[in-house]
Amino acid sequence: DGGITQSPKYLFRKEGQNVTLSCEQNLNHDAMYWYRQDPGQGLRLIYYSQIVNDFQKGDIAEGYSVSREKKESFPLTVTSAQKNPTAFYLCASSLLNQPQHFGDGTRLSIL
Amino acid sequence: EDKVVQSPLSLVVHEGDTVTLNCSYEVTNFRSLLWYKQEKKAPTFLFMLTSSGIEKKSGRLSSILDKKELFSILNITATQTGDSAIYLCAAHNTNAGKSTFGDGTTLTVKP
Repeated sequence: DGGITQSPKYLFRKEGQNVTLSCEQNLNHDAMYWYRQDPGQGLRLIYYSQIVNDFQKGDIAEGYSVSREKKESFPLTVTSAQKNPTAFYLCASSLLNQPQHFGDGTRLSIL
Repeated sequence: EDKVVQSPLSLVVHEGDTVTLNCSYEVTNFRSLLWYKQEKKAPTFLFMLTSSGIEKKSGRLSSILDKKELFSILNITATQTGDSAIYLCAAHNTNAGKSTFGDGTTLTVKP
């Protein structure tokens, strides 16, 4: 079945550690997105990419990094510079200017 | 800066009630207004609206866009407990190729 797979579902980070969240899609979508969701809030855009080897910062990119080496994959690294990383992270993909399809999310916590 | 505001932030109703959720937006290069439903993890797409005054309908849900006043509403008639969810509104900026989300409306439907 076509869809978006995020892994892991739960992730724990130690102080000073970088962690990478995986996002893979087999929908042949050009655009991919990473969002952060905090309790009681909507989705805030971290990074997005419309084509391979190109990506743009969203509204809250500080402390995060991404790569887009393949069309199917858009991993997000939460670096030690992100001082408040505890949140629910959602990855999405879409055709250009079309509705987004979302993965089931990764919940990141601090140890 | 693109901005989307949803109201109310939360709503509690009883089964059978009708609810109206509101979404106002200020987005440069506006292309479309999208509604999503988020139950536990992944938001799922409900409607995409691009033209003013044309109602989109799916079962008990309907939505309409007013591009002059910059708002949209989502109506749910004869609510059921299964309608309990967070309803997210997003406005798509076609030049930037990204959507800005509101904070969502949390709907609780009691039996």
